[in-house]
Amino acid sequence: AQSVTQLDSHVSVSEGTPVLLRCNYSSSYSPSLFWYVQHPNKGLQLLLKYTSAATLVKGINGFEAEFKKSETSFHLTKPSAHMSDAAEYFCVVIPDAGNNRKLIWGLGTSLAVNP
Amino acid sequence: DSGVTQTPKHLITATGQRVTLRCSPRSGDLSVYWYQQSLDQGLQFLIQYYNGEERAKGNILERFSAQQFPDLHSELNLSSLELGDSALYFCASSPMDEQYFGPGTRLTVT
Repeated sequence: AQSVTQLDSHVSVSEGTPVLLRCNYSSSYSPSLFWYVQHPNKGLQLLLKYTSAATLVKGINGFEAEFKKSETSFHLTKPSAHMSDAAEYFCVVIPDAGNNRKLIWGLGTSLAVNP
Repeated sequence: DSGVTQTPKHLITATGQRVTLRCSPRSGDLSVYWYQQSLDQGLQFLIQYYNGEERAKGNILERFSAQQFPDLHSELNLSSLELGDSALYFCASSPMDEQYFGPGTRLTVT
């Protein structure tokens, strides 16, 4: 079955240090992959998306993610964390290339940024 | 601002009641998705509509139903409400694959 796994439910970093949020997926096809962010008491916002173009995708707020087909991963990174990055992050995959473009959501990673 | 609007922002009602949540998608987006988010169950996909037709179903209870109207706005109807239905309900619209989320409706069932 197709799935997406966010390997850490909670990540804590210090302000100014790098952020790594890990996401692995399983898909028989060439997937489309997304990261969404949800700040406390807010709706979800698209951070970035991969849709079979460049494997390194740049998103908003200095985040980027690299699609690694051999590792079936799409980890989210940021060189230097900011306090405002504290939020819940969701990895999403659309595994099917056909008309049934069902989204599969990860369970989320809660990012805490310490001063 | 994503361009997706949801009303009402907050809703407080009693068990056994019925409520309707409304979503207006971004201009031009044909797909609308509904999600439920609660502390114990996380983010759950409920249902998707595309141009008025049901496209995909997730973990939607039989007490819940939705529809998308010709002007593309969508409504989620929740009936025979239970305490466990208290949650944030999001809708999202989509031009293709990426989704744009509304601010959500917070439903409290007492």
